[in-house]
Amino acid sequence: SAVISQKPSRDICQRGTSLTIQCQVDSQVTMMFWYRQQPGQSLTLIATANQGSEATYESGFVIDKFPISRPNLTFSTLTVSNMSPEDSSIYLCSVARQGASTDTQYFGPGTRLTVL
Amino acid sequence: GESVGLHLPTLSVQEGDNSIINCAYSNSASDYFIWYKQESGKGPQFIIDIRSNMDKRQGQRVTVLLNKTVKHLSLQIAATQPGDSAVYFCAETGGGSNYKLTFGKGTLLTVNP
Repeated sequence: SAVISQKPSRDICQRGTSLTIQCQVDSQVTMMFWYRQQPGQSLTLIATANQGSEATYESGFVIDKFPISRPNLTFSTLTVSNMSPEDSSIYLCSVARQGASTDTQYFGPGTRLTVL
Repeated sequence: GESVGLHLPTLSVQEGDNSIINCAYSNSASDYFIWYKQESGKGPQFIIDIRSNMDKRQGQRVTVLLNKTVKHLSLQIAATQPGDSAVYFCAETGGGSNYKLTFGKGTLLTVNP
């Protein structure tokens, strides 16, 4: 499995500000994803981060609120824009290597965001 | 819409007992299933997976059973240890070129010494 790191590990932010979360992988991966995990709940996919093109967003998530970059095969960022207390969650990136037997997703440690 | 859910939100067992965590899914096209373990303050950790062409797969102390007829998945943990205490999630995907995971609600497993 890949070693995945996220920065920051946690942050407390003020309403109306933005936070950019970084995800770094120790090897090249085909697929990178961003998930949100609200307090005490399961994981919900925000978007698929596509290298060299715009991210693919799931229903209920839009680029203006969650802009994503993926400049190469080992790095991606997720920005949470114009934050409100409802954005308080754990944000997780995951990676997968495309292939019939290697499509398992592995997760980073998460970024714990609190919005005041 | 399609969903993946769990029968039991919490499970408490004694150390050394076997644990069984259940999961129901509704998407009949699901062909790949994963169990994750999430400890407090950490990201989900891969435990074991199974494809729809199998009905059982074993790992170290863990077994996953898949019943496609009733769309049911279970995770069995043998000789449960305090270190197994965590939230366990099932997840499914349609496979192929679609790697989007749909997660179940999660079961909190507490192992009592």
